[in-house]
Amino acid sequence: EVQLVESGGGLVQPGGSLRLSCAASGFTFSRFWMGWVRQAPGKGLEWVANIRQDGGEENYVGSLKGRFTISRDNAKTSLHLQMNSLRAEDTAVYYCVRWDLDAGYYYYMGVWGKGTTVTVSS
Amino acid sequence: QTVVTQEPSFSVSPGGTVTLTCGLTSGSVSTTSHPSWYQQTPGQAPRTLIYNTNTRSSGVPDRFSGSIVGNKAALTITGAQADDESDYYCVLYMGSGIWMFGGGTKLTVL
Repeated sequence: EVQLVESGGGLVQPGGSLRLSCAASGFTFSRFWMGWVRQAPGKGLEWVANIRQDGGEENYVGSLKGRFTISRDNAKTSLHLQMNSLRAEDTAVYYCVRWDLDAGYYYYMGVWGKGTTVTVSS
Repeated sequence: QTVVTQEPSFSVSPGGTVTLTCGLTSGSVSTTSHPSWYQQTPGQAPRTLIYNTNTRSSGVPDRFSGSIVGNKAALTITGAQADDESDYYCVLYMGSGIWMFGGGTKLTVL
């Protein structure tokens, strides 16, 4: 069964750091772009970051660049999101996603984890 | 900055047809925007509905369909059912490795 399981969420003070992890199973992890999507309480979905299969390309939403870093360990089939200088507005459920490819060109988020909750508060 | 737009809310009667749209504040949506659609009910992770404009994800009923209508991507539900009451999100490729979700449409079936 294809599965993405997030962990690492919790309560952190403003200015603090947190590292999220996503354990992937049931598919060949190294063949897929992976990413993170977040959802603040009562708000919509926000694309956060993507990382290429070999880790050689990373893309971020502009507002987060410099504070968040996406990484992956293909040997351990895991995805990570290092979050620094956290702010109250980073409070959200963070979803791990697998990017699938259709017809050799069209990308979409084909597999979602259940999410991990990050709360930034003093 | 160009933003992805969706209707904040929509209402449809059971058995009725509704079309939700996904546009851009500047420019047109095309297949090269890689439009895809996701359904989310409260407290749950999103579920993939439609990708590559009009391809249904595995297990998605055929009452859901996707298209390009004018300069927007569209999600049409034909014969809406009570359990279609959800939030619907589109996401578009903006170029340079950047993706953007629309604000979502809250669909009420009543």
